[in-house]
Formats: sequence, structure tokens, C-alpha cells
Amino acid sequence: AQSVTQLGSHVSVSEGALVLLRCNYSSSVPPYLFWYVQYPNQGLQLLLKYTTGATLVKGINGFEAEFKKSETSFHLTKPSAHMSDAAEYFCAVYNQGGKLIFGQGTELSVKP
Amino acid sequence: NAGVMQNPRHLVRRRGQEARLRCSPMKGHSHVYWYRQLPEEGLKFMVYLQKENIIDESGMPKERFSAEFPKEGPSILRIQQVVRGDSAAYFCASSPGTGLYNEQFFGPGTRLTVL
Repeated sequence: AQSVTQLGSHVSVSEGALVLLRCNYSSSVPPYLFWYVQYPNQGLQLLLKYTTGATLVKGINGFEAEFKKSETSFHLTKPSAHMSDAAEYFCAVYNQGGKLIFGQGTELSVKP
Repeated sequence: NAGVMQNPRHLVRRRGQEARLRCSPMKGHSHVYWYRQLPEEGLKFMVYLQKENIIDESGMPKERFSAEFPKEGPSILRIQQVVRGDSAAYFCASSPGTGLYNEQFFGPGTRLTVL
């Protein structure tokens, strides 16, 4: 069975500081991995995805994530946080049957 | 190209009433997925449908919940005799349904409140 664990339900950073949101997955097959962002009272927007190929994936809004098979991780980073980055972030793994398995989410707060 | 449409965006029901949530997939998409987000939790898969077929309903509660995706018209998630525990955000996603991996595009969600 596939699963996703996001370490830390709340992360707070100062504006301009590094953002690191952690995601570990469990999968018996090569995983397809995703990060989504959800702004208050809105739907989910795809930030980036890893399917095959390069393990460092760049997404929108300056975010990137690195797939590390040996660590079963897919952590999301951004070098410099902006106030507009405050949102909920979800890591997900694609189940070969067609559905996405989500982590419980990490709420990112950005302090001025 | 319009995105995934969901309506209503907010729905208030009293206990025992029925809730009907609608989802219009993106143009050209024939696969629809429903997810539920309970307060303070991540999204949980409910059901996966193609036109006129339920592919996977392993996440659907056994009672009171049903889903359909008719040949014409939107996909409908129906909750009968709602209870307070049904209060949640319900998200629909669609995909084109081709290839090994199908990216899912999410709608804005319907927020159901049961009084």
C-alpha cells in the first residue's frame, strides 16, 4: 500500500528565509510524486511533480523538490519565502489505480 | 479552456436532508475523481468515475453516499440523510484519461455545512 507522511503540520518562517517542507512516501512501485498548494477557501493547485527523469524538479513560484529514492523523500524547498507563500501544502503519491494519496498537509506561515 | 467547475461552492443542509454536489470536468476530460477534506485533515479519495462507469469506489462510505457521471452532464456526488460528520470540503478533479499517468486538475471545491 502507498502512503505519504508530511513531517510537521505547521511550519513558520520569516520572510526571506528558506522554506523546507518535508515529505516521505511509501511505495512498492516507482512513485509519481506531487506537491499541491491550497490557499484559503480555494482548490488545489499543482506546484510541481516528479514522474521520471531528473530527480530535482522545479515548479511554479520558485519552489523545487528533490526525489531521493534512498531516503524515500520528496521535500519541497524555496530559497526565500514571500508573504504570498502562506498557504497549506500537500504532498501526494499517485496510485497506479488512478487516485492520489495525500499527506495530511503542512500549513506554512510567513512572518514579516 | 475553462477549468474544473464545481457547484455550489457552499452548501448548507440540515441533518437528514440530501446534498447534491456537481462537478463539470475540463473540456476533453473523461475521468472524474472525488475527494473529501475533513477539517484539519488532508484530502481522502472517495471515488473514481469515467463516463457512465464507476472505476473505483473504495473510498466511498458504504451507506448514504453515491456518485455518477452520466453520458451527458456533470458528475454528481449525492449524500442522503446528511449528518454533522459529513461537513467537509468536497473536491472534484478531472483528467484526460490517456497515457500511463494522468494529471488531475482540481476544482475549487464545495464546502458542505450540516447544521
